[in-house]
Amino acid sequence: DTEVTQTPKHLVMGMTNKKSLKCEQHMGHRAMYWYKQKAKKPPELMFVYSYEKLSINESVPSRFSPECPNSSLLNLHLHALQPEDSALYLCASSQGPWIYNEQFFGPGTRLTVL
Amino acid sequence: SQQGEEDPQALSIQEGENATMNCSYKTSINNLQWYRQNSGRGLVHLILIRSNEREKHSGRLRVTLDTSKKSSSLLITASRAADTASYFCAPSTGTASKLTFGTGTRLQVTL
Repeated sequence: DTEVTQTPKHLVMGMTNKKSLKCEQHMGHRAMYWYKQKAKKPPELMFVYSYEKLSINESVPSRFSPECPNSSLLNLHLHALQPEDSALYLCASSQGPWIYNEQFFGPGTRLTVL
Repeated sequence: SQQGEEDPQALSIQEGENATMNCSYKTSINNLQWYRQNSGRGLVHLILIRSNEREKHSGRLRVTLDTSKKSSSLLITASRAADTASYFCAPSTGTASKLTFGTGTRLQVTL
């Protein structure tokens, strides 16, 4: 299984809602990532988990809260988002947290904040 | 990590032609990766080239790296409509897997 899955595919939420994005991989990878991508822009790194511990937080606002319950799962909890947070949220994983490891991406969750 | 800058921003070619896109970066790197993204989808890893390598091939893809000019190029030969996508470079420094993607080249291959 060389796939990273993400649910849901699409999410519409209000600014007062709380929702979660889910990412799963069964490749035995020990590094997992969240990226945010706005239209016609490159993906921007948000968080890196290495061996289930948060290793990089790219100064992301606290209304985004990542969680790594186990080595296969990565969640992104969303609370009190703003319309400008609407974007494609991509999850990725790699064998290890090293720069020579290729990253495998999921198809993304398209988030719309009303 | 650092962001690469890609050129051209957009490229339109006919099926069967070759497509070349370039990536420039500012400081010394450990390696450089290329990824493809079909419209609104996840990214797919294409090739990783290390700083001590000059050229790498994978199927119809050829990547070159010129560290003296701080640039890399991706050549797709005999392009197909399925190659229509955005292509991103990710030059990397350090050891941690922290990718910073370039601005991207949008490739359109028409029949």
